[in-house]
Amino acid sequence: GDSVTQTEGLVTLTEGLPVMLNCTYQSTYSPFLFWYVQHLNEAPKLLLKSFTDNKRPEHQGFHATLHKSSSSFHLQKSSAQLSDSALYYCALSGRYNVLYFGSGTKLTVEP
Amino acid sequence: GPKVLQIPSHQIIDMGQMVTLNCDPVSNHLYFYWYKQILGQQMEFLVNFYNGKVMEKSKLFKDQFSVERPDGSYFTLKIQPTALEDSAVYFCASSLDGGAGDTQYFGPGTRLLVL
Repeated sequence: GDSVTQTEGLVTLTEGLPVMLNCTYQSTYSPFLFWYVQHLNEAPKLLLKSFTDNKRPEHQGFHATLHKSSSSFHLQKSSAQLSDSALYYCALSGRYNVLYFGSGTKLTVEP
Repeated sequence: GPKVLQIPSHQIIDMGQMVTLNCDPVSNHLYFYWYKQILGQQMEFLVNFYNGKVMEKSKLFKDQFSVERPDGSYFTLKIQPTALEDSAVYFCASSLDGGAGDTQYFGPGTRLLVL
């Protein structure tokens, strides 16, 4: 079946350091992968979505590359900002566009 | 960006009672979804809905659950009767079409507590 794994539950970083949040997946199909970001008591918002070609999606300094060989879609940013502190979910789109979510990674960026 | 609204934001209810969760999706979207998130766990798919019909549902979508969108109004999730294990945050989402990878826009969730 379809599933997503995020190995880090909590990540704490100092402002200015690089960010990398892990995401691996299992799927019967060739799925689309997503990163959603959720701030406290707000709706999950789309951060990034994989492309069907080999383009690398980027938004707000974040980027992620879909590696089909390793079934991964890790989220990266070169320099963390205080405002990046949030909950990050990796998800894949399966049959009927059902989203399968990972368990989420809480990112805390400290001064 | 496109906004999905959910009403109410919080609901406390006694076990056995009926509850209706309301979702106001993005205006031109045609596909609607409900997801459930128990505290400390990941979001899990419940059901999706298009053209008045359930397209797909998970094992979490029990017989006590139902969805509808009468006459283009709110997309609703009704639970009747409620059980203690229904306590969770319920997220509504909508997408323009149901094609693979079509972006889903989420509401802020309804926090349901069943006592």
